[in-house]
Amino acid sequence: DAGVTQSPTHLIKTRGQHVTLRCSPISGHKSVSWYQQVLGQGPQFIFQYYEKEERGRGNFPDRFSARQFPNYSSELNVNALLLGDSALYLCASSLAMTGGTDTQYFGPGTRLTVL
Amino acid sequence: AQRVTQPEKLLSVFKGAPVELKCNYSYSGSPELFWYVQYSRQRLQLLLRHISRESIKGFTADLNKGETSFHLKKPFAQEEDSAMYYCALSRPGSGSRLTFGEGTQLTVNP
Repeated sequence: DAGVTQSPTHLIKTRGQHVTLRCSPISGHKSVSWYQQVLGQGPQFIFQYYEKEERGRGNFPDRFSARQFPNYSSELNVNALLLGDSALYLCASSLAMTGGTDTQYFGPGTRLTVL
Repeated sequence: AQRVTQPEKLLSVFKGAPVELKCNYSYSGSPELFWYVQYSRQRLQLLLRHISRESIKGFTADLNKGETSFHLKKPFAQEEDSAMYYCALSRPGSGSRLTFGEGTQLTVNP
C-alpha cells in the first residue's frame, strides 16, 4: 500500500481563484481528515469526514468545503483564495473515528501558494 | 477550547545526552495525548500515544494530569532522532480530530 496519497504535490494560484485538493486514503480506511499547516506552525484541523458525512469542522470560514466520495477519497475546496491560505494542506486517514485508539496516517501534503 | 503548548521551538543536544521535549495542554476533561514526529523529507507519523504506555525508539511520555503535561523523554539521544516533534491532543468523543502544538525541532549533534 502506498499509504495516503495527495494530489497535486504543489500548486500556485492567485488571489480570488478557487482550488481543489485531492486525497486518497489507505485502503480500508473510512475516515479522512484535513489539516492546514502554515509555515512554522503545527497542523490545524479543518474537516473530518467519516462514511461520507462531515463529522467535524474546525474554525475555518465557509470558503473552505470538503466532501468524501463512495470510495472514501476526499476533496478539499477553497474558494476566493486569500494570501493567508498559502500553506501545506495535509490529509490523514484512519480506520474509523474513535480517537485515541485509532491511528491517523498522514499524506505528504499539498503545498499551496497564493500570489 | 483545548490548547497545546510546546515552549521550545528549537532544542539541540549532543548524542548520548538525555533529551526532554516539553508539552503542556489546557483541557478541562480527560484528553488523549499523542506525539507525532516528522523526519526530514518524510511525512508526519505517530510516535506514541499515552493510552498505550509504550516505548517507541526509546522514547517515553507520561501524562501528568496535575501539571497538564505530556513531556517526551529519551535517556540517550541518537543522531537519527533529529526531527520535528509535535504534541497533539484529542478530546474524547471528537473522533480523530487532533489539536497540535507548534512543534519542537530537535537536533542531535555528533
